[in-house]
Amino acid sequence: AQSVSQHNHHVILSEAASLELGCNYSYGGTVNLFWYVQYPGQHLQLLLKYFSGDPLVKGIKGFEAEFIKSKFSFNLRKPSVQWSDTAEYFCAVIRTGGFKTIFGAGTRLFVKA
Amino acid sequence: DADVTQTPRNRITKTGKRIMLECSQTKGHDRMYWYRQDPGLGLRLIYYSFDVKDINKGEISDGYSVSRQAQAKFSLSLESAIPNQTALYFCATSDSTRDFHGYTFGSGTRLTVV
Repeated sequence: AQSVSQHNHHVILSEAASLELGCNYSYGGTVNLFWYVQYPGQHLQLLLKYFSGDPLVKGIKGFEAEFIKSKFSFNLRKPSVQWSDTAEYFCAVIRTGGFKTIFGAGTRLFVKA
Repeated sequence: DADVTQTPRNRITKTGKRIMLECSQTKGHDRMYWYRQDPGLGLRLIYYSFDVKDINKGEISDGYSVSRQAQAKFSLSLESAIPNQTALYFCATSDSTRDFHGYTFGSGTRLTVV
């Protein structure tokens, strides 16, 4: 069965620090990958997605993620975080052509001003 | 107006009561989903519907039922609420006529069962 593992449940950073959130998935076939963000008290919003092509994808608000197929990973990065990036981040995977998205447990990021 | 609207936003109910959570969308999407979010567990799929006549159980459907009243409306019911159903519930939509590009989520319903 597909699964998604997010290694860090809680991350605390100071403003301007660099961010990398880990995500690994288990599925041997072709997948589409997503990162969603949930700001406090709000619904999930799509941050970025990978379907095919360039494994380095860029999303909104300066976020990017790199798909490394050999490692089954899709880590989220941002060079310099801001206080407003405080949120919970979810990695998600769906088998290409499939219809059920599997979500990771989420990583709560707190950025100190 | 929001693309995906959930009502109520917050609800406290007693054990054993029946409660319905409602979801409506203006996206024109054919697929609708109900997810439950619990701390440390992420989102888990309760039910999903590909059209009005196609409803399917997700991974944690026990204790829940759904109704797809129209393409734009998808309701989730707890027939007899229990405390471990206390959670944040999200409705989501997607469009099968286009390549999947992620879900559109509603704002969520925070349900507390006491």
